[in-house]
Amino acid sequence: GAGVSQSPSNKVTEKGKDVELRCDPISGHTALYWYRQSLGQGLEFLIYFQGNSAPDKSGLPSDRFSAERTGGSVSTLTIQRTQQEDSAVYLCASSLKNEQFFGPGTRLTVL
Amino acid sequence: EDQVTQSPEALRLQEGESSSLNCSYTVSGLRGLFWYRQDPGKGPEFLFTLYSAGEEKEKERLKATLTKKESFLHITAPKPEDSATYLCAVHRTDKLIFGTGTRLQVFP
Repeated sequence: GAGVSQSPSNKVTEKGKDVELRCDPISGHTALYWYRQSLGQGLEFLIYFQGNSAPDKSGLPSDRFSAERTGGSVSTLTIQRTQQEDSAVYLCASSLKNEQFFGPGTRLTVL
Repeated sequence: EDQVTQSPEALRLQEGESSSLNCSYTVSGLRGLFWYRQDPGKGPEFLFTLYSAGEEKEKERLKATLTKKESFLHITAPKPEDSATYLCAVHRTDKLIFGTGTRLQVFP
């Protein structure tokens, strides 16, 4: 069956521009997670969805970051007014129970 | 504060040379300890979940074990295709807290 997919795979943008990253979870998975992986650092939790609601937004680094999930499926992570420190790989994961399955990530580069 | 520490940061092995990777953790209310494998340019690939001290799980050349304070990933007779970064994470209130990983290189 299909795994978690993310698009785009790579995104290069200029400082100050807005970007949208998309995640398609595994069909039937009710939980969806966004993480960020910076060079040389571990994965950093950003936000978690159960269905369409986000009980835990504690990891969002600033109010420039937002996320939504519609229809209990696709999720988008939006970063407004991007900064160079936002450059990282953004990973999405989905789960039905405890095990989280990850997508390939979106590599974001802010020039 | 919840914390996950992995050691060593990097490990170079000769093909067939067995070794162990360590993951030490402090977390309140552990809901599982996870091991993932990550290849360059790819997302983490799920390997194991361990829930209680004394539990062990195996998959091919890998065996994961768990105590109350740490987990080990034992690699028996590794092959070059086992080269990857191995990530450990603890499950805490619906999110995973990751260590920074051990980068394993296996040479023929």
